[in-house]
Amino acid sequence: DTEVTQTPKHLVMGMTNKKSLKCEQHMGHRAMYWYKQKAKKPPELMFVYSYEKLSINESVPSRFSPECPNSSLLNLHLHALQPEDSALYLCASSHAGGTGELFFGEGSRLTVL
Amino acid sequence: GQNIDQPTEMTATEGAIVQINCTYQTSGFNGLFWYQQHAGEAPTFLSYNVLDGLEEKGRFSSFLSRSKGYSYLLLKELQMKDSASYLCAVSGYNKLIFGAGTRLAVHP
Repeated sequence: DTEVTQTPKHLVMGMTNKKSLKCEQHMGHRAMYWYKQKAKKPPELMFVYSYEKLSINESVPSRFSPECPNSSLLNLHLHALQPEDSALYLCASSHAGGTGELFFGEGSRLTVL
Repeated sequence: GQNIDQPTEMTATEGAIVQINCTYQTSGFNGLFWYQQHAGEAPTFLSYNVLDGLEEKGRFSSFLSRSKGYSYLLLKELQMKDSASYLCAVSGYNKLIFGAGTRLAVHP
């Protein structure tokens, strides 16, 4: 199984809503990542988890809250988002240490109204 | 900090060869990756270089010179399906940072 699965694929939410994006992998990877990608731009790193601990937060606003319940799961909790947060949110995983290939999920396309 | 530069757009003809260049400046270096991304889809891995030299994988090859902070991706026998964005990404300090990407359009 070389897949990273993300749900939902599409999400529309209002600025007062609370929602979560979910990501799952069963490749035994111990590093997991959240990236944000706007149209025609490259993916921008948001968070890195290594061995279920948050190791990198790229100064992401607190309205985005990551969570890593176990080595296979990664969540991104969303609260009080702004329309400019609308983007494709990509989850990825790799072997720990961040030196290997990142495997990406298909992404969750978020629209904030 | 990190700075990764690659051309914004390129065009090429089906069956031809195209080279996409990438230059980088980083404070830590664990390797350089090339990813392909079709519009609306997730990036997919193409190649990885950690030592100087050429890595060949089918129609795709990637070259790295660490002393020059330079890499290129070479695509041979271009096909229409190769029309996509090609992202150069540098790994360092436990994170992978992407360049802005090169949008390649392949014409018949």
